[in-house]
Amino acid sequence: QKEVEQNSGPLSVPEGAIASLNCTYSDRVSQSFFWYRQYSGKSPELIMSIYSNGDKEDGRFTAQLNKASQYVSLLIRDSQPSDSATYLCAGVNTGGFKTIFGAGTRLFVKA
Amino acid sequence: DAGITQSPRHKVTETGTPVTLRCHQTENHRYMYWYRQDPGHGLRLIHYSYGVKDTDKGEVSDGYSVSRSKTEDFLLTLESATSSQTSVYFCAISEYGQDRSYNEQFFGPGTRLTVL
Repeated sequence: QKEVEQNSGPLSVPEGAIASLNCTYSDRVSQSFFWYRQYSGKSPELIMSIYSNGDKEDGRFTAQLNKASQYVSLLIRDSQPSDSATYLCAGVNTGGFKTIFGAGTRLFVKA
Repeated sequence: DAGITQSPRHKVTETGTPVTLRCHQTENHRYMYWYRQDPGHGLRLIHYSYGVKDTDKGEVSDGYSVSRSKTEDFLLTLESATSSQTSVYFCAISEYGQDRSYNEQFFGPGTRLTVL
């Protein structure tokens, strides 16, 4: 099993809908979790951090962490065409502070 | 944007030549990282630094070395470039926070390296 796994997509949603991005992780990843957004040809940009079980909301974004099931999700409400990007899920390895990234999910928001 | 620059932004070189990439930050952050990004692999950690002259290997460190003589600069050297090292290289920085935010990383603009 990969340490951080994401569906590569593409995930396509209509404008105004909720986009749901999911990520699972192995036992070798157990600490802080992050979602980064990466536009084509650009560098990753941190959009959400989550450290404990439950939901964390910031504007149109909600991150969810479920440690028992070992998954992290990102919900984007009222999706906009400008949200079209690759979303990288990341977590910190157990016992250290190395951040391990998933391969990313491509999201397309259709106008 | 966090004050992180990378140079050069683009480079084409030949197999067997040494190459050095530079990451410069103005944030005074303690931690610095070098990643490479390839299709299908996502971001992979090459080396990281947790202070001046303190560095350690990541998951894909073979063929790469690093140096950090000042807080603001982190250099990545490809000792003898190979075609498999053609990639986009990103530098990132982070700082320790009481709320475990030290792993929140901020990325530079990237360097696109092509090894012919």
